[in-house]
Amino acid sequence: DAKTTQPPSMDCAEGRAANLPCNHSTISGNEYVYWYRQIHSQGPQYIIHGLKNNETNEMASLIITEDRKSSTLILPHATLRDTAVYYCIVNTGNTGKLIFGQGTTLQVKP
Amino acid sequence: NAGVTQTPKFQVLKTGQSMTLQCAQDMNHEYMSWYRQDPGMGLRLIHYSVGAGITDQGEVPNGYNVSRSTTEDFPLRLLSAAPSQTSVYFCASSYTAGYTDTQYFGPGTRLTVL
Repeated sequence: DAKTTQPPSMDCAEGRAANLPCNHSTISGNEYVYWYRQIHSQGPQYIIHGLKNNETNEMASLIITEDRKSSTLILPHATLRDTAVYYCIVNTGNTGKLIFGQGTTLQVKP
Repeated sequence: NAGVTQTPKFQVLKTGQSMTLQCAQDMNHEYMSWYRQDPGMGLRLIHYSVGAGITDQGEVPNGYNVSRSTTEDFPLRLLSAAPSQTSVYFCASSYTAGYTDTQYFGPGTRLTVL
C-alpha cells in the first residue's frame, strides 16, 4: 500500500497561504491523492483529491508534481478555523482502504 | 441528507461487556467502513463492506464483528470489551470503493472500556 510522509507540524499566520507538503513516492498509476482534515477529534472532513492535474475547489488547491511523487495542499487564506490535523492519503481504489498517517498539525496564528 | 450518523456519541463499558456501535447513511452508498483512532494516531481500518451482505476485514479486525443486512446500516459489535478497545470509532461511506469515490465520515463514537 502506498504510504505518505508529512511534516508533523506547521504554523501559518492568519490570512496568509498555508502550504502543506506530502510525499508519496510509491504511488501507483491509478491511485488518487486525497486530503482530509480533522478538527478537534471530529470526523475527518474531505477537502480535495486529484490524480495528476492540479485541482481547485472552494476550500483549497492541490498541486501534484509531474512525477506524482509529491503534492502540496494550499489553503489560500488561512483562518483560525483552519487549525486542524491535515491528512494526505493515497486511495488505492482496491478495498477502499484509506491509509492514515499521523498527518500535519496546522496551527493558524493571529 | 443527514449524511453519516453514528450512535451513541459516548459510551463507557466494563471489561467483558458487549455492545453495538450504530452507523447509518442516507446517501445510498454501497461502501461502508469502520475505523478506530487511538490518541495521537491516525485512523486504522477495522472492517469494511462493499455492499449489503458483503463484509471483509481491515487492518485491525480482532475483537469486532460486523454485518450488513441493508445498504443504509453497518453496525459494529464488540463481543467482549477490553481496555485496549478504548478509542474513538469512526464510520465512513462512499458510493463504491473506487479510486475517485470520496469517503464521508461520521462524527464518531468515543468509547471507554474500564
